[in-house]
Amino acid sequence: DTEVTQTPKHLVMGMTNKKSLKCEQHMGHRAMYWYKQKAKKPPELMFVYSYEKLSINESVPSRFSPECPNSSLLNLHLHALQPEDSALYLCASSSEDYYNSPLHFGNGTRLTVT
Amino acid sequence: GQQVMQIPQYQHVQEGEDFTTYCNSSTTLSNIQWYKQRPGGHPVFLIQLVKSGEVKKQKRLTFQFGEAKKNSSLHITATQTTDVGTYFCAGLGDDKIIFGKGTRLHILP
Repeated sequence: DTEVTQTPKHLVMGMTNKKSLKCEQHMGHRAMYWYKQKAKKPPELMFVYSYEKLSINESVPSRFSPECPNSSLLNLHLHALQPEDSALYLCASSSEDYYNSPLHFGNGTRLTVT
Repeated sequence: GQQVMQIPQYQHVQEGEDFTTYCNSSTTLSNIQWYKQRPGGHPVFLIQLVKSGEVKKQKRLTFQFGEAKKNSSLHITATQTTDVGTYFCAGLGDDKIIFGKGTRLHILP
């Protein structure tokens, strides 16, 4: 079981589609993250939100657009993706101190771009 | 840039044997975290080490942080089939957490 909930669990989309990934946590954590994980690779940081403000963007292409509507929710909007963007997308949260607190990951959304 | 190297990449052990994975950083780390990811699952936090020379134990798992805070290890005693998965270290350097590439542990019955 995880306290970070991600939907959907699986997503198949075409290169012209627009879709969104959603993440929710109710642990009172003030830092939320998007990670991308390819098979047999470590998680790769994409974005960090701290207190609902974007604090880190790891030079992610603009076809990925994050949004943090409130302290419990994190979205990732997808548009015009490429097949190489197919991966497991993990949301995570941590307490206020981003630099010193553990990451709590959700189950992830397995994305396939056709 | 900062790197965290993790070895070995894969490890096959007989059930009951011990297992160790090692992480080395090119720079001094503020802390190091360890995560386990089961096949088809998501990374799950195991532990965080902060102090130089720190040693922590969780049942059959022993975690160490080097004196120079540049290396760390995870040792599992008497492995069980439930230990199967990929173990990642994640080191906090200048301003972000860097994951090692992980060690994939296979248990042979």
